[in-house]
Amino acid sequence: DSGVTQTPKHLITATGQRVTLRCSPRSGDLSVYWYQQSLDQGLQFLIQYYNGEERAKGNILERFSAQQFPDLHSELNLSSLELGDSALYFCASSVEPRGRYGYTFGSGTRLTVV
Amino acid sequence: DQQVKQNSPSLSVQEGRISILNCDYTNSMFDYFLWYKKYPAEGPTFLISISSIKDKNEDGRFTVFLNKSAKHLSLHIVPSQPGDSAVYFCAARGEVKTGNQFYFGTGTSLTVIP
Repeated sequence: DSGVTQTPKHLITATGQRVTLRCSPRSGDLSVYWYQQSLDQGLQFLIQYYNGEERAKGNILERFSAQQFPDLHSELNLSSLELGDSALYFCASSVEPRGRYGYTFGSGTRLTVV
Repeated sequence: DQQVKQNSPSLSVQEGRISILNCDYTNSMFDYFLWYKKYPAEGPTFLISISSIKDKNEDGRFTVFLNKSAKHLSLHIVPSQPGDSAVYFCAARGEVKTGNQFYFGTGTSLTVIP
């Protein structure tokens, strides 16, 4: 157990629907990152939050949004889902914003859009 | 635009021999590099890191080499063990003004044959 908790582990939904992925960072970590891993792709950075504030944005679609709550857990909202959104979504956390000691990853949420 | 590339999707090595995993990057502003290991159904776990001010970092059986002029990173595992069989991702971080996130390669699947 890495200390980063992601729920749910698996999600199957239809095109056009909206889902919410949840992440609880490791205790003491203030930074949360969301990554997407599609088939044969590396981990694509989506967005980072640090202590409740958006810190950096990557290749996140406008249909996707995220937030970090006062208790530091984070949610990634995916709407108007398309087949191509099927992927593994990883959440990671780090104690400081630059991730100098690397990130701690959760085990991911596998999203299947049918 | 893939700023971090791992051109070998897979690698097979005999137990006890050396495993060499390679990684190339395009952005000369990257200042910190990490390797992660990933087992199936788990999130990536931090393995070893190197700062751009160094050209080598060693941790037990794992050594990372950095060639800044060639924009090339490699991970050496000596001796390789069956438990090292996993997918290895390299990651590179830009300076603050380019964002705090790490850019990941597509991964190399290492199989260590007993």
